[in-house]
Amino acid sequence: EIVMTQSPATLSVSPGERATLSCRASQSVTSNLAWYQQKPGQAPRLLIYGASTRATGIPARFSGSGSGTEFTLTISSLQSEDFAVYYCHQHNHWPLTFGQGTQVEI
Amino acid sequence: EVQLVESGGGLVKPGGSLRLSCAASGFTFSSYDMNWVRQAPGKGLEWVSSIRADNSYIFYADSVKGRFTISRDNSENSLFLQMNNLRAEDTAVYYCAKAGAGYLYFDLWGRGTLVTVSS
Repeated sequence: EIVMTQSPATLSVSPGERATLSCRASQSVTSNLAWYQQKPGQAPRLLIYGASTRATGIPARFSGSGSGTEFTLTISSLQSEDFAVYYCHQHNHWPLTFGQGTQVEI
Repeated sequence: EVQLVESGGGLVKPGGSLRLSCAASGFTFSSYDMNWVRQAPGKGLEWVSSIRADNSYIFYADSVKGRFTISRDNSENSLFLQMNNLRAEDTAVYYCAKAGAGYLYFDLWGRGTLVTVSS
């Protein structure tokens, strides 16, 4: 099983600042890496797929990078609606696995 | 409107069974792989099971293999999860999720249905 490790567990950021979230895979997942945002009481929402492609309707302030085992989600200028939990997800190998999440808080 | 709507959750005793349903609308259901993902209270996301668009493959997480069965009815635009021999650790919100075209990221999620396993 591929283990996905996200860091940090919690990220404290002020509105307007840049946030950088990391995700590391225990073995290569090529570019089959997605990022999701989840707000309290809501279902997750797809942000990024293919490691760097924004999903439909996702603002340009969200960007993804990386391949192989190291991935990054960057939020260039945090807005109030961006405070949430973010998960990475590898879909290159069975079983599909998620990271444990990064809480982005004010 | 493109959406997924889960139903069938509830309170069940350990060892009991439950069948979850997911009704899809607004897209060609029969063209996409479908999935179940769960989230225990206060915890992260856990993939449960996937089924290919044409039923040609089915995969399960080890934690549910032999107890859960995924199925779909493309004529009814519906996805199902039969859950048997339920355990306390199966308590979670269960989400139905549509896969992206040709890949297994999840580009559409339902709101989820809560399954509570408790005596």
